[in-house]
Amino acid sequence: DAGITQSPRHKVTETGTPVTLRCHQTENHRYMYWYRQDPGHGLRLIHYSYGVKDTDKGEVSDGYSVSRSKTEDFLLTLESATSSQTSVYFCAISVSTGQETQYFGPGTRLLVL
Amino acid sequence: QQQVKQSPQSLIVQKGGISIINCAYENTAFDYFPWYQQFPGKGPALLIAIRPDVSEKKEGRFTISFNKSAKQFSLHIMDSQPGDSATYFCAAQNDYKLSFGAGTTVTVRA
Repeated sequence: DAGITQSPRHKVTETGTPVTLRCHQTENHRYMYWYRQDPGHGLRLIHYSYGVKDTDKGEVSDGYSVSRSKTEDFLLTLESATSSQTSVYFCAISVSTGQETQYFGPGTRLLVL
Repeated sequence: QQQVKQSPQSLIVQKGGISIINCAYENTAFDYFPWYQQFPGKGPALLIAIRPDVSEKKEGRFTISFNKSAKQFSLHIMDSQPGDSATYFCAAQNDYKLSFGAGTTVTVRA
């Protein structure tokens, strides 16, 4: 599991409420990512981080914000959840073993009613 | 739009058969091409990967074929087993970021 945990693993919320998902790594890797997975789309990058307080947008960043105040934690926030944000969210880290390779966490299943 | 196009969307193969999944890309800046395997309820797991200066890579029953001039790459699963039933994603990396194909669900019939 590459030392990645995600919390919560499942969440049901209502439209308009804020939601924060947490990704925690145990090995101090520099790069961390948030993806969403939807049928027919594969995995799409939401935001990523290349260090503490250093983040950038991915291809589907609208409606999401992120923060990284410690190397080990990367938070994804839905400021005001919408039904279109119902998805499975995966965190990943990039590990350098001669080649930067991404490893994924177990995922968070989010349902927005 | 999706930067990596993957086909087929799903396939069914008999035990012992060969599964073939194809991917194509346009961005020549991609410099690393991993494949991920995902079981229901789990995160994607790295299966095998290749760099564009290599035309083929084999690990056990899994082989990647890479055609740089055609900007295509494919995964072959030889002697398919029921335990190979999963969703497979191709991906392409540039500047620490991955672009994924839409996925192929493989079902191996015993």
